[in-house]
Amino acid sequence: KQEVTQIPAALSVPEGENLVLNCSFTDSAIYNLQWFRQDPGKGLTSLLLIQSSQREQTSGRLNASLDKSSGRSTLYIAASQPGDSATYLCAVPGLTQGGSEKLVFGKGTKLTVNP
Amino acid sequence: DTEVTQTPKHLVMGMTNKKSLKCEQHMGHRAMYWYKQKAKKPPELMFVYSYEKLSINESVPSRFSPECPNSSLLNLHLHALQPEDSALYLCASSRLGSQGSTDTQYFGPGTRLTVL
Repeated sequence: KQEVTQIPAALSVPEGENLVLNCSFTDSAIYNLQWFRQDPGKGLTSLLLIQSSQREQTSGRLNASLDKSSGRSTLYIAASQPGDSATYLCAVPGLTQGGSEKLVFGKGTKLTVNP
Repeated sequence: DTEVTQTPKHLVMGMTNKKSLKCEQHMGHRAMYWYKQKAKKPPELMFVYSYEKLSINESVPSRFSPECPNSSLLNLHLHALQPEDSALYLCASSRLGSQGSTDTQYFGPGTRLTVL
């Protein structure tokens, strides 16, 4: 059964700091991994999708890496801003009870960037 | 247009009420999803529709009844809910990739449901 763990659960940093969010998964037989952002009481916004053939993806100040063999992914945020404050969720493919595919989410890292 | 819309934004209902949540997307996606999210928890998959047919039901109680009237619309009909069903209900859509339904999912803003 696929399980996803995110560390730390919460992180508070001053504005301008570079930071790393961690995600680990138990079943390395994945074909992609996604990072999402969720603002309080809102839906999820897809940030980055990394295919298993890729080692990293970049979008603006965000860089996500994937190491399938070790079952790990990191999300690097450069020069953090207060607007980056949100919960960041990592998700990988897993199986439903009936054997179909679904996304398995980690519990998220709640990031607070202080002005 | 990469937007998934959901109505209403907020819903308060009694345990004897019947209500419906609506979701719409115009990205041509043929997979649509309902998730339930409790506070400080990740989203939990409820239902998946592929090509307007129900493909996944994650053992959801029958008081939740999904419907996909066409490729752009997804409804969730609610009846005789319990207070513990209070949560944020999220709709999502995606392309149907060659390896299944987990291509990039686009989420709506959610409906905040409170059951009294």
